[in-house]
Amino acid sequence: AQSVTQLGSHVSVSEGALVLLRCNYSSSVPPYLFWYVQYPNQGLQLLLKYTSAATLVKGINGFEAEFKKSETSFHLTKPSAHMSDAAEYFCAVRASGTASKLTFGTGTRLQVTL
Amino acid sequence: DAGITQSPRHKVTETGTPVTLRCHQTENHRYMYWYRQDPGHGLRLIHYSYGVKDTDKGEVSDGYSVSRSKTEDFLLTLESATSSQTSVYFCATLPASTDTQYFGPGTRLTVL
Repeated sequence: AQSVTQLGSHVSVSEGALVLLRCNYSSSVPPYLFWYVQYPNQGLQLLLKYTSAATLVKGINGFEAEFKKSETSFHLTKPSAHMSDAAEYFCAVRASGTASKLTFGTGTRLQVTL
Repeated sequence: DAGITQSPRHKVTETGTPVTLRCHQTENHRYMYWYRQDPGHGLRLIHYSYGVKDTDKGEVSDGYSVSRSKTEDFLLTLESATSSQTSVYFCATLPASTDTQYFGPGTRLTVL
């Protein structure tokens, strides 16, 4: 079975600072990995995804993530935080099989301070 | 935007009453999913559907049933709501030939 672990339920950074949100996965087969963002009182929006092509994946809003098989990690980064990045971020792994079921991490709430 | 709407958006009900949540999509996507979101748990899959009248259980299906009589509608029913089912419920769909699920705006359910 697949699973993901997000280290840190809350992360606080200053505006302009590096954002690093951690995600480690467990999978018995090559995984498909996703980062979603949830703004207050909204649904989830896809930030980026890894589907076995390039290991460095670029997403929307300046975010990127690097798939590292040796470390079973898929950490999300952004060089310079903006106030509008304050949200909750979820890492997810796609289960094997045809139904594309997702298993989510517990989420990391990002706070951006002045 | 996958054209997903959920109704109602907010609901307060009492323990023991039946509740039905509706997910409606306009894109003719085959796969649809129901998740619940709870603090400290992220999102967990309740049920999913891979076509009209074709459904299967997810990770946390106890106490929930679903139905899909039309491609565009996926209903989630709590036969007898309990306080442990207080949560935010999200519907998602999966477009053909992709691996990305698109999510609706959610329904906040409170069971008193």
